[in-house]
Amino acid sequence: AQSVTQLDSHVSVSEGTPVLLRCNYSSSYSPSLFWYVQHPNKGLQLLLKYTSAATLVKGINGFEAEFKKSETSFHLTKPSAHMSDAAEYFCVVSFNAGNMLTFGGGTRLMVKP
Amino acid sequence: DGGITQSPKYLFRKEGQNVTLSCEQNLNHDAMYWYRQDPGQGLRLIYYSQIVNDFQKGDIAEGYSVSREKKESFPLTVTSAQKNPTAFYLCASSNEVGGFEQYFGPGTRLTVT
Repeated sequence: AQSVTQLDSHVSVSEGTPVLLRCNYSSSYSPSLFWYVQHPNKGLQLLLKYTSAATLVKGINGFEAEFKKSETSFHLTKPSAHMSDAAEYFCVVSFNAGNMLTFGGGTRLMVKP
Repeated sequence: DGGITQSPKYLFRKEGQNVTLSCEQNLNHDAMYWYRQDPGQGLRLIYYSQIVNDFQKGDIAEGYSVSREKKESFPLTVTSAQKNPTAFYLCASSNEVGGFEQYFGPGTRLTVT
């Protein structure tokens, strides 16, 4: 069975410092991977996606993620946090077209001034 | 503007009443989904539909029902059989089932007392 684990339920950073949100998945197959962001009481917005092209994926708002097959990881990073980045982030996996998306439990990012 | 609309944003009901949540999309997507989100948790799939007049149960379908009479509409009914209906409900759509990115509506927060 496919699964995805977000290793931190909460991450707190200071504005202007780097962001790292960690995600690991389990699968025997090459997955499609996504990061979504959710601001309070809002729907989810796609940040970026990996679908077997370049392993380093650039997304919106300066975020990027690197697919590492040997580590089964897809960590999300940003060089410099902004106050507006404070939100919930979801790592999401799909293992082939036709399968449903599997969501991680989410990581709440807090940005301190 | 293309997108997904959900109404209402907030909904209050008494225990024992059925309630229907609306979801409409003008993205011409074939597939639509309903998710439930509880505080501090990821999204759980309730129902999904690949084409008009067809839908499938997700992981937590008990106590819910759906219909798909039109491509653009996928209403969700929360029945009195759902034991813990208070939650945030999100509707999504995609070009194909599963592996492709999903586009989310703004959500409906349902409170049952």
